[in-house]
Parts: sequence; structure tokens; C-alpha cells
Amino acid sequence: SQKIEQNSEALNIQEGKTATLTCNYTNYSPAYLQWYRQDPGRGPVFLLLIRENEKEKRKERLKVTFDTTLKQSLFHITASQPADSATYLCALDITGGYQKVTFGTGTKLQVIP
Amino acid sequence: SAVISQKPSRDICQRGTSLTIQCQVDSQVTMMFWYRQQPGQSLTLIATANQGSEATYESGFVIDKFPISRPNLTFSTLTVSNMSPEDSSIYLCSVKGEENIQYFGAGTRLSVL
Repeated sequence: SQKIEQNSEALNIQEGKTATLTCNYTNYSPAYLQWYRQDPGRGPVFLLLIRENEKEKRKERLKVTFDTTLKQSLFHITASQPADSATYLCALDITGGYQKVTFGTGTKLQVIP
Repeated sequence: SAVISQKPSRDICQRGTSLTIQCQVDSQVTMMFWYRQQPGQSLTLIATANQGSEATYESGFVIDKFPISRPNLTFSTLTVSNMSPEDSSIYLCSVKGEENIQYFGAGTRLSVL
């Protein structure tokens, strides 16, 4: 069956360090992989998208990698800040924009001052 | 991007009653999506609402329980019918932009007693 797995346990890191979140998937061939941030009581907010033919994408302190052989994406936040504390969701789009996206369960990140 | 207004933001309802959630978008869109997010769980797509046609429901969701209206290109409603405590959840509407990026409302937090 198809699965999208993210670390279900919360990730606690010290301010200033790099946070690395993992998204693994099975039985999918995604055209795009997306990352979202969700704060308590709010809807998810889009952060980054990476295509199947891209290895890495950066935006300010954020970096996403995409390994279609390993079926894994890594999401990095460098120089983390307490304001980065939130739940981060990965989502797969298997048809390149024409169908629904499927979300992972999310990883809760806590950046400790 | 799109700005989505959703209401109510939260409600507490009695078992057996129904609640209608409204979703307003600031631009005309073909498809609107309704998701459910149960505590500690990922987002699960309930249905896709197209203007002028019946909504398309995902496996496990039926029209009698979750009737949807889509009267125009900027508005949709989701009704949660004959509620039970198992329906306690966050309900989110979204629209898609370029590359299937999802834009979400703030969500409706529903508690059923």
C-alpha cells in the first residue's frame, strides 16, 4: 500500500542548530514533493516545492533534497530560531499538478532558546 | 496565492446535530477541496468540490454524511451531518495554485459532545 512517513516523534533542537526533518514514501512515484508549515490552530502554509528531476532546492534558511531512488526527502532549517517551532508536513503530488496531493502525518519541531 | 476565509473557526455541537462550514476564496477557482485533520493525524481529503457539478468524494466519505455545496466559483460549504464524537476534528478547505500548491483556510475546530 502507499505510505508517506514522517517522524511521529517531536524533534527538539537548540536554537542556532540545523533541524533536519525526514519524509519517506513507498509505492508512489511523485512528480512533485511539497513541504508545508502548520502552526497550532492554523491551516498549513506552503514553504517549498521540489520536482522529481531536482536534487535540491533552497529558500533563505530552508533547504529541501529529493532522492527518488531512496524515496526520501529531507527538509533542513539552518540557524534555527524559536519562531521556527511548528509542525512540518510533506505532501506528494503524483500527477504533476492535475490531481490531489497526499499529506504525511507531520513532524513537530521545537526550537529551544 | 489565494486568501481563504473559513467560518466558524470553532464550534461545540451536540451529538445528532449538523454543522455547516463556509469557505470563501478571494478569487475564482475551479476546484475547492475539503480536508479533515483528526488529532495527531495527517490531513485526509474528504472531497473535491467543482462548481456546477456534484462533489467527488474520497473513499470512506459519503455525500449523506458530508454534503457539499458549490454555488459559485468563490464559495463552498461542507456540512457535517448527524454528528457523533468521532467527528470531532479540524475541517479545512483549500484551493490549488500553480504546481498544485495548496492554499488553506484557518480551519474549523469541531468538538462533538
